[in-house]
Amino acid sequence: GENVEQHPSTLSVQEGDSAVIKCTYSDSASNYFPWYKQELGKGPQLIIDIRSNVGEKKDQRIAVTLNKTAKHFSLHITETQPEDSAVYFCAASGWGGSNYKLTFGKGTLLTVNP
Amino acid sequence: DVKVTQSSRYLVKRTGEKVFLECVQDMDHENMFWYRQDPGLGLRLIYFSYDVKMKEKGDIPEGYSVSREKKERFSLILESASTNQTSMYLCASSLTNEQYFGPGTRLTVT
Repeated sequence: GENVEQHPSTLSVQEGDSAVIKCTYSDSASNYFPWYKQELGKGPQLIIDIRSNVGEKKDQRIAVTLNKTAKHFSLHITETQPEDSAVYFCAASGWGGSNYKLTFGKGTLLTVNP
Repeated sequence: DVKVTQSSRYLVKRTGEKVFLECVQDMDHENMFWYRQDPGLGLRLIYFSYDVKMKEKGDIPEGYSVSREKKERFSLILESASTNQTSMYLCASSLTNEQYFGPGTRLTVT
């Protein structure tokens, strides 16, 4: 089955700096890669996703890049703010049909210091 | 907005008790999932269901069972709770791959 590795497990940055979280996956058939943000006391919430026909996707201060050859994808947060502090999870799966199960990384605790 | 609700935010049960965790979604999603979340281990899939009365084992089904009698409701059952089932339990639903999570139930088994 799919295996997703996520690094680092903790990340501390100063407000205004950039943060990068990296994930690798093992199954070359995976073609859907979402990122979830989990704030304290809440369930994970989808913040951005990318499919394998796209190399990069951006949404305001958040971007995700995908390298299918190397089987890795990354989350980039620019101009970090204290409200970005949370646990971030990457995940991977196939797309459509019965391939809707997500395999999650172990998470990254991001702390943005004011 | 998709809404996934879980019956309890916090639950304390004794070893050996039968425990029911309920999850309800209001978006007519076919797929529903139960995960447990433990520090350093991320989210691990216990069971999922892709239709009423249909279920499939996830990565860690031992000690759990599920029930899906209606499309909007997916129940996780701990037949005989044990202390190693103390955890955060998250329910999710989806139409395709985009999963929407509930707020979680923190279960403590003493």
